[in-house]
Amino acid sequence: GESVGLHLPTLSVQEGDNSIINCAYSNSASDYFIWYKQESGKGPQFIIDIRSNMDKRQGQRVTVLLNKTVKHLSLQIAATQPGDSAVYFCAEPYSGAGSYQLTFGKGTKLSVIP
Amino acid sequence: KAGVTQTPRYLIKTRGQQVTLSCSPISGHRSVSWYQQTPGQGLQFLFEYFSETQRNKGNFPGRFSGRQFSNSRSEMNVSTLELGDSALYLCASSLPRTGGEGSPLHFGNGTRLTVT
Repeated sequence: GESVGLHLPTLSVQEGDNSIINCAYSNSASDYFIWYKQESGKGPQFIIDIRSNMDKRQGQRVTVLLNKTVKHLSLQIAATQPGDSAVYFCAEPYSGAGSYQLTFGKGTKLSVIP
Repeated sequence: KAGVTQTPRYLIKTRGQQVTLSCSPISGHRSVSWYQQTPGQGLQFLFEYFSETQRNKGNFPGRFSGRQFSNSRSEMNVSTLELGDSALYLCASSLPRTGGEGSPLHFGNGTRLTVT
């Protein structure tokens, strides 16, 4: 699979503000994307996913936007809370040869300022 | 439903030794994958197992191996440990599937391996 990258390594936001985390992907054939949250000492936790036939998908306080034209997706977190402090990864599946694996971006560390 | 369980949580080994890590997937999940996470390389795919068969392997040396049992539980083994093998080893499981139709992996909290 091709690489998936993130624009910013760190992001600091004030509690209550909205957060936006960006991700660029290079494989134009990718049809599915996943966002994960990883807190210190834990494994990545699934947040939300989106398929390429959608431009937007909403969850609880989170929204993922997909722009296939520029191969970019973003994760928006509304009313950011201290518990949102974590590293966020976008991931892109690679499913060659009947297998299934994820290619992860480097991650963005979100710090919420109380 | 219980999540992915990995044991042990922490391991300290000496160069040259070998280590075995264990993973119990979510009930009903037959695909189990392993990833290595380091500060420098991020999350990297090690291998994936489905129905006791290794379907794919990442770009790691032969010292890294694994297996899956009939109950979908999986183990990975690293022989002749090197300092660079120090990392967080993550196991993930997913629903039964034969290809990449699009389904999230569910990760355990990992085993932190330190090689001295």
